[in-house]
Order: sequence, then structure tokens, then C-alpha cells
Amino acid sequence: DAGVTQSPTHLIKTRGQHVTLRCSPISGHKSVSWYQQVLGQGPQFIFQYYEKEERGRGNFPDRFSARQFPNYSSELNVNALLLGDSALYLCASTPRGPGQGADTQYFGPGTRLTVL
Amino acid sequence: GNSVTQMEGPVTLSEEAFLTINCTYTATGYPSLFWYVQYPGEGLQLLLKATKADDKGSNKGFEATYRKETTSFHLEKGSVQVSDSAVYFCALGGNNRLAFGKGNQVVVIP
Repeated sequence: DAGVTQSPTHLIKTRGQHVTLRCSPISGHKSVSWYQQVLGQGPQFIFQYYEKEERGRGNFPDRFSARQFPNYSSELNVNALLLGDSALYLCASTPRGPGQGADTQYFGPGTRLTVL
Repeated sequence: GNSVTQMEGPVTLSEEAFLTINCTYTATGYPSLFWYVQYPGEGLQLLLKATKADDKGSNKGFEATYRKETTSFHLEKGSVQVSDSAVYFCALGGNNRLAFGKGNQVVVIP
């Protein structure tokens, strides 16, 4: 079975631009979460989506937004890019939604975003 | 809020040595605890997990026990191999989101 897939693999943008990152969860998984991993640090939670609704948000500015589609895939959008947004963006999926059990999160390979 | 603290600094050891990576946590309620591993240039892979106090997670020779009394989830392996070289993250799960520690890079020398 295919795991979590993300696209693109790498991306280079300049300050002020906008970026869209994409994620497809494991088949049958309905919840998608996004994490930001800055070099040398652990991943930081950005968003969780379940059944197309935002179910959790981390401490990130409004420049970050996301959505989930009927097929449970997801997009992460970042506006007005800053140098500090350079990071590995990870997507993770779980079978169920929040409050439905302590599911393991399965991670994709990530998208490496570089902001110049 | 929920948080995880991992021991500072990289870990360098020889092949077949014993590995310990310390992890302590602060949490409300009864979270699940995880160890994830990240190989160079890759995403995170689940190594093991424990969902309640005194549970022991194990996989590929690695073990960790959920200690509620010491709020710890230390990772151990009795005999490491060069292929175990990676970054190891301790994580705390609640409400389907994870709080990660900063990670420890492990380098195993032949």
C-alpha cells in the first residue's frame, strides 16, 4: 500500500511569494496534519484537518492556511513568505479524527521549502 | 501545555555499544508516547509507541517503557549497528497532534 505522499519534493521561492504544498494521505485515512520542521529542530504542529474541517491549529500566523478535499487530500498554503519559513514541511495522516483514539501518525517524506 | 524534553547534544558511539537516549515529558491527562526516527533526507518513521503507563514499546531491538512516576520514556538498544545512525525524536500524543522533542542525532562508528 502507498504511504503518505507529498509534492513537490523541493521548492525554492523568494520573500513575499506564495506557496502551495500538497499531501495525499494513506488510503482510508481521514485525518491529515501538517508540521513544520526547521533545520536542527523537532517538528512543530501547524494544522489538523478531519472531514474537511480544521480541528486543531498550532501557534502559527494567519499567513498559514490549509484545506482538506473530499478525497481527504490536503493543501497547505503560505502567503507572504519570510526567510524564516524555510523548513521541511511534513504531512501526516491517521485513520480517525480527534477524540477517537490514540492513533499513530504516519508521515510523508516532506517538502523542503527554501525561501531566498 | 504538553511538552517533551530530550537530552542535549548528539550521541556518538561504537558499533555494538549500548544506546540510551533520555526523554521526559510534561502533560495533562494520559498521553501516548512515541519514538520516531529520521534517516538523512527522509521523513519521520515510527519506531515504537506506548499508550499507557508501564507499557513497553519495542521494535528492531529498540525498547522504551512509559514511566508515569518519573514522566519518562527513555529509548534503549543493547547493541547498535552502523545502520542505526539517524536522528531520534521523542513525541507526546494527545488529541491526534504530536509534540516533539528537539531530537538527538546518533552516529554509530564501525
